[in-house]
Amino acid sequence: DTEVTQTPKHLVMGMTNKKSLKCEQHMGHRAMYWYKQKAKKPPELMFVYSYEKLSINESVPSRFSPECPNSSLLNLHLHALQPEDSALYLCASSQVSSGGGSPLHFGNGTRLTVT
Amino acid sequence: GEDVEQSLFLSVREGDSSVINCTYTDSSSTYLYWYKQEPGAGLQLLTYIFSNMDMKQDQRLTVLLNKKDKHLSLRIADTQTGDSAIYFCAETFLLDTGRRALTFGSGTRLQVQP
Repeated sequence: DTEVTQTPKHLVMGMTNKKSLKCEQHMGHRAMYWYKQKAKKPPELMFVYSYEKLSINESVPSRFSPECPNSSLLNLHLHALQPEDSALYLCASSQVSSGGGSPLHFGNGTRLTVT
Repeated sequence: GEDVEQSLFLSVREGDSSVINCTYTDSSSTYLYWYKQEPGAGLQLLTYIFSNMDMKQDQRLTVLLNKKDKHLSLRIADTQTGDSAIYFCAETFLLDTGRRALTFGSGTRLQVQP
């Protein structure tokens, strides 16, 4: 069982829809991350929040909009996605912003299909 | 991120040892990690090693680090069918913001034959 909870587990959306992915952790971690993983590929970093502030945006298209309402919650708002955005979206958290012996703890992901 | 390389596939028989190899490029990495991903699941942290260590053992898992060659390996003793999964090594790298992020290797698919 993972201590990082992601909802929903599966999501199918059309290109004109607006949806949100949610992530929650109660480990007291102050850094949270969104990764995108395509089939048979490693996870790729999208966003990092550190102390509820966006620390890193890896040049992700604006159709992905992250939000960190508090230290336990992380959202990813989706709008006007393309079929190539279909992937597994993984949320992770750590005690500090990646590195320094603070490993990332991952949720089980949301499998997104854009039709 | 920096390049982290792994072989794509490894097949072993149940009860044998498995060795998964990884090479990384960022010599400033302070910690190196091994994650396991089962089908349809997220990444499970298996173990990690600090860069000033050569070896770390945790039950059936042994991590070896050759910092000179930037080579990391994960040995799984007495491999079981439940060990079948994709194994990712990961290193931290320094971003322009001064923060560190985690970059992953391509993953090694371990298949355990009964």
